[in-house]
Amino acid sequence: QKEVEQNSGPLSVPEGAIASLNCTYSDRGSQSFFWYRQYSGKSPELIMFIYSNGDKEDGRFTAQLNKASQYVSLLIRDSQPSDSATYLCAASIQGAQKLVFGQGTRLTINP
Amino acid sequence: NAGVMQNPRHLVRRRGQEARLRCSPMKGHSHVYWYRQLPEEGLKFMVYLQKENIIDESGMPKERFSAEFPKEGPSILRIQQVVRGDSAAYFCASSRTGSDTGELFFGEGSRLTVL
Repeated sequence: QKEVEQNSGPLSVPEGAIASLNCTYSDRGSQSFFWYRQYSGKSPELIMFIYSNGDKEDGRFTAQLNKASQYVSLLIRDSQPSDSATYLCAASIQGAQKLVFGQGTRLTINP
Repeated sequence: NAGVMQNPRHLVRRRGQEARLRCSPMKGHSHVYWYRQLPEEGLKFMVYLQKENIIDESGMPKERFSAEFPKEGPSILRIQQVVRGDSAAYFCASSRTGSDTGELFFGEGSRLTVL
């Protein structure tokens, strides 16, 4: 079982709709969770991180964490074509000092 | 404030040659991480270094791969006797503190092609 799993997609969402990206993790020692966006041929950039159960909102982005279910999600409201990218979910383990990434979900926003 | 600088951006090697990838972290960052990304896959952790020390190399292949972060100069990922399976994008990331907070800043990557 992979430590961090994502549906590789592709996920297609019409412009203006809500895009929902999901991620599960296997290690209950995981403390912190991160969403990175990666455009094709570019480097990953951090969008959001979340430590506590519940929701965390930042502009059009909402991260959700459920530690009991070992589940993390990212919602993108009012999706724009510029949101088309691969979204990488990552988990850190306290003291391990490294991030473990999922394989990424390719998101396409259709105008 | 310059970001994480990696070079070369693209490198072509023939099987059996050596590849050297360099990474200069962001100013003020003393923690460097190397990740490898195969096409259509996520990032795989390779090694975590601080100045002059390898902290975690659990993701490094046992043979042919080595990394260093000297007191002066960039971090270097070295791949000896490259094989076609080494073709990938190699990303360096840096952080000001350890990555418990996960705020890693990535370079643009070095894309290695082995012929």
